[in-house]
Amino acid sequence: GAVVSQHPSRVICKSGTSVKIECRSLDFQATTMFWYRQFPKQSLMLMATSNEGSKATYEQGVEKDKFLINHASLTLSTLTVTSAHPEDSSFYICSANQGITEAFFGQGTRLTVV
Amino acid sequence: AQTVTQSQPEMSVQEAETVTLSCTYDTSENNYYLFWYKQPPSRQMILVIRQEAYKQQNATENRFSVNFQKAAKSFSLKISDSQLGDTAMYFCAFLSYNNNDMRFGAGTRLTVKP
Repeated sequence: GAVVSQHPSRVICKSGTSVKIECRSLDFQATTMFWYRQFPKQSLMLMATSNEGSKATYEQGVEKDKFLINHASLTLSTLTVTSAHPEDSSFYICSANQGITEAFFGQGTRLTVV
Repeated sequence: AQTVTQSQPEMSVQEAETVTLSCTYDTSENNYYLFWYKQPPSRQMILVIRQEAYKQQNATENRFSVNFQKAAKSFSLKISDSQLGDTAMYFCAFLSYNNNDMRFGAGTRLTVKP
């Protein structure tokens, strides 16, 4: 299957700073990527849809100024958590669809804001 | 909007036995995909099985099979000859042809006991 690489796998940052998470499709072009957030023992909640060359589409309740998404190329989408606070601590996962038949997931990023 | 419901937060099964995980969904669309994903402690999302809605035949992958009832909007996963390595969170997911984004159920934590 296709490979999606997410980096970093773990990050600790100080409250008030920003952190960037990268999601790369290694062997296919992804016009659309997705960002999910997962709280402990809970499901994946879609945050936003990242569209190459255009603005991301955010789910209701997700602050677009807090979670900046950039999809500058067909193989890279980035999620920047700006002015991070402890409540932003979570597990973030990206995915990319190859066509409409399947989603391929990154390894996830565990963000801890101290 | 599509919703996916998994009504079993936790399940357990003895090694070598069979277990069935339930999933129902709600949609007004006629064309879509359904998936079961496994999330082990590493939190990497692993595709278990996929079903195209237009196919009446139930998908099978080795020890994993589904019971897809389109009219009832039901999509259960049967795991035969359960193995210790099957212990994980299992998520049922819906992928729309139109929106191309994936929606997840709340998950079922499966424990295979020796």
